[in-house]
Amino acid sequence: GEDVEQSLFLSVREGDSSVINCTYTDSSSTYLYWYKQEPGAGLQLLTYIFSNMDMKQDQRLTVLLNKKDKHLSLRIADTQTGDSAIYFCAESKLDSNYQLIWGAGTKLIIKP
Amino acid sequence: DADVTQTPRNRITKTGKRIMLECSQTKGHDRMYWYRQDPGLGLRLIYYSFDVKDINKGEISDGYSVSRQAQAKFSLSLESAIPNQTALYFCATGGGGTYEQYFGPGTRLTVT
Repeated sequence: GEDVEQSLFLSVREGDSSVINCTYTDSSSTYLYWYKQEPGAGLQLLTYIFSNMDMKQDQRLTVLLNKKDKHLSLRIADTQTGDSAIYFCAESKLDSNYQLIWGAGTKLIIKP
Repeated sequence: DADVTQTPRNRITKTGKRIMLECSQTKGHDRMYWYRQDPGLGLRLIYYSFDVKDINKGEISDGYSVSRQAQAKFSLSLESAIPNQTALYFCATGGGGTYEQYFGPGTRLTVT
């Protein structure tokens, strides 16, 4: 079946690394995405990884994909107050009619 | 200027009223989507459209209707609003052979 799961909350101290996790059940996924939603705003595409990759790095962001365990993670190094947001994991599949399957979102809370 | 705009940004209406939410895009994308967001439930797809003549129901289309007036415009209507339609509504677009979606800022709808 189709299911993307995330924890609803993560709390980290400013300056530490944040690791937001996501699991998915469908092995036919093509791309996996991370979106960021700041308070009062729409969702913004942060980064994505192709399903045949293991890792992608973009400045403070590192995406890790473990296909065997169907596990995706987003690591944010040196977490700052501006990183406070809800982070959504989503997957796409070739036969999905261009629909994305969304996780429920993880709210990242930054402690001073 | 924003690529995907939504009007109104906030709306309070009464049970039984008809309401229309509008979305416009300047990205030139063929695909447009309407989602609702509820806390802890993530995004749920209401309707999506591949072009003016191609409209498809999503996961939760009951109680909603849509109109694709032009490639750049996609509106969502609630024929007779009810309180459990109180939510944050997002429009999104997508184009070409990629699966990424680009979101508007959202409309916060409250039905009393």
